[in-house]
Amino acid sequence: KAGVTQTPRYLIKTRGQQVTLSCSPISGHRSVSWYQQTPGQGLQFLFEYFSETQRNKGNFPGRFSGRQFSNSRSEMNVSTLELGDSALYLCASSYLMDSRGETQYFGPGTRLLVL
Amino acid sequence: KQEVTQIPAALSVPEGENLVLNCSFTDSAIYNLQWFRQDPGKGLTSLLLIQSSQREQTSGRLNASLDKSSGRSTLYIAASQPGDSATYLCAVRGGGADGLTFGKGTHLIIQP
Repeated sequence: KAGVTQTPRYLIKTRGQQVTLSCSPISGHRSVSWYQQTPGQGLQFLFEYFSETQRNKGNFPGRFSGRQFSNSRSEMNVSTLELGDSALYLCASSYLMDSRGETQYFGPGTRLLVL
Repeated sequence: KQEVTQIPAALSVPEGENLVLNCSFTDSAIYNLQWFRQDPGKGLTSLLLIQSSQREQTSGRLNASLDKSSGRSTLYIAASQPGDSATYLCAVRGGGADGLTFGKGTHLIIQP
């Protein structure tokens, strides 16, 4: 079974632009979560989706948004990019709606560099 | 707000040694605790998941324990190998709506 895939793997943008990242969960998984990883803050939770509905959201500004499609694929969007948005963005999937008791499987991440 | 701390931040040991990585968390109301490893520039690989009702989990040379009441977990690696070199991350899932809370990790180097 294929793992979590994320595209693109690397991205360079300039301040003020917007970016869309994509995540395809493991086949059959319906819950998708997004995390941001930076050297200073470590891994921080962005949001979680199940069946096209956002269930949880972390403490990030409204410039960060996401959505999930009927095939469970998910996208996250960052508008008006800032230098501090440079990070590794990780997507994780799990099977159940209540993923709290489950192992989360992570993708390889998208490394975003904002210049 | 849940906080997760991992000690030590970095560790370098010769091959073959047994070692212990530590993780502590401030709020004991957790659903589970998960240990991951991350290789440079890569995503996270899940190693072990311990539910809040469990005391330990084992997988091969890895053993993780959980003491929820004291807010502590340890990851024991037996007979370490150079391939174990990576950053090890501890994460807890609480009852709130904020996903996994991660520690900053322990950067482990196993010297051949």
